[in-house]
Amino acid sequence: DAKTTQPNSMESNEEEPVHLPCNHSTISGTDYIHWYRQLPSQGPEYVIHGLTSNVNNRMASLAIAEDRKSSTLILHRATLRDAAVYYCILIVSGTYKYIFGTGTRLKVLA
Amino acid sequence: DTEVTQTPKHLVMGMTNKKSLKCEQHMGHRAMYWYKQKAKKPPELMFVYSYEKLSINESVPSRFSPECPNSSLLNLHLHALQPEDSALYLCASSQSITGTGELFFGEGSRLTVL
Repeated sequence: DAKTTQPNSMESNEEEPVHLPCNHSTISGTDYIHWYRQLPSQGPEYVIHGLTSNVNNRMASLAIAEDRKSSTLILHRATLRDAAVYYCILIVSGTYKYIFGTGTRLKVLA
Repeated sequence: DTEVTQTPKHLVMGMTNKKSLKCEQHMGHRAMYWYKQKAKKPPELMFVYSYEKLSINESVPSRFSPECPNSSLLNLHLHALQPEDSALYLCASSQSITGTGELFFGEGSRLTVL
């Protein structure tokens, strides 16, 4: 199964943009890239997903490298409520295997 | 209704007990999942049901027995567990039959095995 690599932790100031990187060098051509976040004492929550093109939604933007070996989740203006563990996941093509990587713990400073 | 409901929220059991965790969703999703999450670790996939049939078993010990009685319900039967099985058990569902859809998670059942 393709794996993802993320930094263990990152910090950001409130109201500033945050770029959360993810490496997935063994990605297959039809594997989707998903991002989830997990707030303390809650189940993971969907953030965004994409295949090849950059994606935007109300929560975030997803920038996917041209070779698809890496992606970046962009939070445009971090708030204290965005403090969470962010997981980058590759969905193994044609299966239900949502395999979580180690995740990045984001700390937002007031 | 975009909720996945898990019961109980907390469960304490002895190693000789038999207990069950329950999960319910009414979003019409046809895929349902069980994950196990230890403290400060990512969720680990255990089982996936698709159209009420077991699709994936990630080599989970037989003391964990999943059941999908209908398209809205998912159970995890627990028997002869070990203290190292103490964890947060998360249920999730998705609509997509290709595995590319959004996963909806419940808040989890926190299990303690004494």
